[in-house]
Amino acid sequence: AQRVTQPEKLLSVFKGAPVELKCNYSYSGSPELFWYVQYSRQRLQLLLRHISRESIKGFTADLNKGETSFHLKKPFAQEEDSAMYYCALRASSNTGKLIFGQGTTLQVKP
Amino acid sequence: EAGVAQSPRYKIIEKRQSVAFWCNPISGHATLYWYQQILGQGPKLLIQFQNNGVVDDSQLPKDRFSAERLKGVDSTLKIQPAKLEDSAVYLCASSPQRNEQFFGPGTRLTVL
Repeated sequence: AQRVTQPEKLLSVFKGAPVELKCNYSYSGSPELFWYVQYSRQRLQLLLRHISRESIKGFTADLNKGETSFHLKKPFAQEEDSAMYYCALRASSNTGKLIFGQGTTLQVKP
Repeated sequence: EAGVAQSPRYKIIEKRQSVAFWCNPISGHATLYWYQQILGQGPKLLIQFQNNGVVDDSQLPKDRFSAERLKGVDSTLKIQPAKLEDSAVYLCASSPQRNEQFFGPGTRLTVL
């Protein structure tokens, strides 16, 4: 079965602390993984995708096929990073269908 | 460029009533998606259109939900009759040929 699991509903850190949002997936094929973010009163938007191997707003994520994980990391959290983060799996390049995790709320305290 | 538009933004109905949501995707985007997001969960795909054809509706409860995308542009999602468990945010997204998905603001449905 295709599944995305984000084990933490809420992650609370202080400003300047490192952040790691966990994401594990279940998929037998070759997946495409994404992180989407939703800031307060804004739309859901793409943060980064694993195939780009880029850093966006200081965030990075590495696909670990052995551990079936795609954790999102940032070395120094900022207050403006506070948001809801969703990990998503695209199981088939033919349809573009995304399977989302339950989401993790990141709260960065001053 | 203008983003994905959805209306209404909020809707409150009683169970067994009907409701319809409207989505206007970004101009030129061939693919349109409807997602259902229940409180505390991630979005779940209900239906995907490629132009005006259905690509995936495997998770659409077809006994009560229907969707159409006439002329391959705007789309409507209808629920008839609504149940309490249909209370959710309904998100519309569009993408150019199954690439990055751009989401609308969503319609929050409350069924009493």
